[in-house]
Amino acid sequence: KQEVTQIPAALSVPEGENLVLNCSFTDSAIYNLQWFRQDPGKGLTSLLLIQSSQREQTSGRLNASLDKSSGRSTLYIAASQPGDSATYLCAARGSGGYQKVTFGTGTKLQVIP
Amino acid sequence: DTGVSQNPRHKITKRGQNVTFRCDPISEHNRLYWYRQTLGQGPEFLTYFQNEAQLEKSRLLSDRFSAERPKGSFSTLEIQRTEQGDSAMYLCASSLGVGGGEAFFGQGTRLTVV
Repeated sequence: KQEVTQIPAALSVPEGENLVLNCSFTDSAIYNLQWFRQDPGKGLTSLLLIQSSQREQTSGRLNASLDKSSGRSTLYIAASQPGDSATYLCAARGSGGYQKVTFGTGTKLQVIP
Repeated sequence: DTGVSQNPRHKITKRGQNVTFRCDPISEHNRLYWYRQTLGQGPEFLTYFQNEAQLEKSRLLSDRFSAERPKGSFSTLEIQRTEQGDSAMYLCASSLGVGGGEAFFGQGTRLTVV
């Protein structure tokens, strides 16, 4: 059974700081890993998708890496802004069966002006 | 197409009542998923459709829950005889292809059972 863990559960940083969010998964047989952003009371917004054959993906100030062998992914946010404040979730899609997606519990980020 | 649409956005119901939620996926997406999310937790898988076929159901989906996707388009999730423990955000997602497609989520339906 896939288990996805995100550390830290909460993070508070001053504006402008670079930061790294961590995601670990127990079953390396994944199809892809996806990072989402969730604002309070809202749905999920897809940020980055990394296929199992890829090592990283970049979009603007965001960079996500994937190391399947160690069961880890990181989301790097450069030059953080108050608008980045949200909960960040990672989700691993299994490679077998119907490719179930398993979510972590998220990291709640607060960027202080 | 503006993305995955869920209705209603909020639902307050009395314990014991039945409720139904609707999800309209991105039109060309053949895969549709339902998740439930409680406060402070990540989304938990409920069920999955490929076209009109319901291929997987979680153990979380008790007999009071039923989901349909007629004609492989929109989907409905019905909860019968609601309980306070059903209070949660219900999220729908869709994706394209055999696998590996990016999942797009709707804004969710927040259910409160009083």
